[in-house]
Amino acid sequence: EAAVTQSPRNKVAVTGGKVTLSCNQTNNHNNMYWYRQDTGHGLRLIHYSYGAGSTEKGDIPDGYKASRPSQENFSLILELATPSQTSVYFCASGDRDNNQDTQYFGPGTRLLVL
Amino acid sequence: AQKVTQTQTSISVMEKTTVTMDCVYETRDSSYFLFWYKQTASGEIVFLIRQDSYKKENATEGHYSLNFQKPKSSIGLIITATQIEDSAVYFCAMRDNVGDNSKLIWGLGTSLVVNP
Repeated sequence: EAAVTQSPRNKVAVTGGKVTLSCNQTNNHNNMYWYRQDTGHGLRLIHYSYGAGSTEKGDIPDGYKASRPSQENFSLILELATPSQTSVYFCASGDRDNNQDTQYFGPGTRLLVL
Repeated sequence: AQKVTQTQTSISVMEKTTVTMDCVYETRDSSYFLFWYKQTASGEIVFLIRQDSYKKENATEGHYSLNFQKPKSSIGLIITATQIEDSAVYFCAMRDNVGDNSKLIWGLGTSLVVNP
């Protein structure tokens, strides 16, 4: 079954540490997205990608890097994690050509930075 | 500027009734796409239904339907015969062709509680 999966599902990190969140999709979608969700802010776009090798800055990219090594995989990297990056992170995939880029979401990763 | 507004923070209804959740949007574009998503208590975000702006017919999907009023820039989500499991947060989103058209503009959500 086509799906978007994320790992890890939960992560505790220390301030200043490096965190990598991984996303895998079997939808064969070109586009992939990373969001964070915080109370009062809804879903905010961090980075996105049009395909392997491509990464684009979203609305709140500061403090985050992204990597898209293949069609299926999209990673979000926090080089120097800070407590303000404590949040729930969602990955999504979408394909504009086939369904107007309707986005399908992974289950989320809960990150706590101490 | 592009914007999506959901004015209802929370709604409480009785099971088996019909509920409408409001959403208004702003765009300069004549062609755009409107989406509704549901976030369950477990955190899962699920795509429900989409309306393409060039289509005059309101989209329907199971017990979800849309009330698309283009002159009012409004896209209401209607849930008929609500069930307990419809309790969730519902998000409205829009994608147009202005600027970076791979991005969705999201509302802040409406929390729906369905009571037995």
